[in-house]
Amino acid sequence: GQQLNQSPQSMFIQEGEDVSMNCTSSSIFNTWLWYKQDPGEGPVLLIALYKAGELTSNGRLTAQFGITRKDSFLNISASIPSDVGIYFCAGHSGNTGKLIFGQGTTLQVKP
Amino acid sequence: DSGVTQTPKHLITATGQRVTLRCSPRSGDLSVYWYQQSLDQGLQFLIQYYNGEERAKGNILERFSAQQFPDLHSELNLSSLELGDSALYFCASSGGAGVDYEQYFGPGTRLTVT
Repeated sequence: GQQLNQSPQSMFIQEGEDVSMNCTSSSIFNTWLWYKQDPGEGPVLLIALYKAGELTSNGRLTAQFGITRKDSFLNISASIPSDVGIYFCAGHSGNTGKLIFGQGTTLQVKP
Repeated sequence: DSGVTQTPKHLITATGQRVTLRCSPRSGDLSVYWYQQSLDQGLQFLIQYYNGEERAKGNILERFSAQQFPDLHSELNLSSLELGDSALYFCASSGGAGVDYEQYFGPGTRLTVT
């Protein structure tokens, strides 16, 4: 079935550093969404992207919908300890509401 | 708080049993989605309902079924439970049915099958 390849799988960074993660697919996606999940909690929507080439920010977070519609990236600037968690990319590849998720990037921030 | 509620938070049951998970969507949302999250499979889409009608289906097992009621809450029924069904089950909701609507997730139900 369709898959999203998310990288890196995990990151361990120093507080204040910038972070970049990305998702790629072999097929076209119509939307890209980025979620953050804390242990034992549900995913929380961070940014939604609807157009190829779209660049959207939400505070220290910036995400882009790739021109080819097969990739997306998420940047976090000036990381802080509360950024710790698992970040998931997700997307719609058809016209239904079904979301396909990446495997997640685990972010750890050292104070 | 996403506005999506799920009950129960935790559920422990034995193999062969049947359980029902409940979800209330955000106020005004017509679509409800169910996802399963396990360590080896990640987050997997199970099924979507829109305004009471089934809209899309993922790799949902035949032992699993769902419905959405007139008040828009939804229930996911899992029967003949197996050890491998142990997972987190999330409900999400959105305003509409298609790709233009953002999905908001509930806190999940952790199912443990012993």
